[in-house]
Amino acid sequence: EVQLVETGGGLIQPGGSLRLSCEASGFRVNTNYMSWVRQAPGKGLEWVSFTDSGGSTYYADSVKGRFTISSDRSKNALDLHMNSLRVEDTAVYYCARVRVLMTGLYRYLDSWGQGTLVIVAS
Amino acid sequence: DIQMTQSPSSLSASVGDGVNVTCRASQSISRHLNWYQQKPGKAPKLLIYAASTLQSGVPSRFSGSGSGADFTLTITSLQPEDFATYYCQHSSSLPWTFGQGTKVDIK
Repeated sequence: EVQLVETGGGLIQPGGSLRLSCEASGFRVNTNYMSWVRQAPGKGLEWVSFTDSGGSTYYADSVKGRFTISSDRSKNALDLHMNSLRVEDTAVYYCARVRVLMTGLYRYLDSWGQGTLVIVAS
Repeated sequence: DIQMTQSPSSLSASVGDGVNVTCRASQSISRHLNWYQQKPGKAPKLLIYAASTLQSGVPSRFSGSGSGADFTLTITSLQPEDFATYYCQHSSSLPWTFGQGTKVDIK
């Protein structure tokens, strides 16, 4: 069974740093495409970052240069290193597995973790 | 960036009703469109990918249609567990974007 469990959220002051981790079971993170999606309180979903199985990484403009996505092969986990945090980064952060349908190269988020809450406030 | 616009933003319906939620992209995205269901305090759940393919385990009362820029999520015969918020998401190019959501609640 595929399972994703995020940890690392909490209260952090503006300008601070935080590392989120998403431990996977039932599949290998480093051989899959993976993504982070966030949801501000009471708001909709926002794509944050994506990594493919080759190690290429992509970011939303809102976090580019501040966030880094990476995989930890030893822990079978996906990490999100967040620096220079802003009040507007306050959200529940979800990690999700990305599936790719080779016919047509369709991509979709088929498995999600339960999310971890990050609050950026002074 | 491609913008995704859902309508309506909310709707009220009764158990047994049929419901349509529409999603419009700001440019053609072929069939690179996914639908998710989210219940309060829970993670989103994939319902449909590639515009019309039902994810394994999702009831057949859910269906998706459309291509290009206009898409529809249809729920036939609403069940109590279907009251939730529904999001469309394009995966045509980065950045992926989601619609603002459609909340389906009980009339």
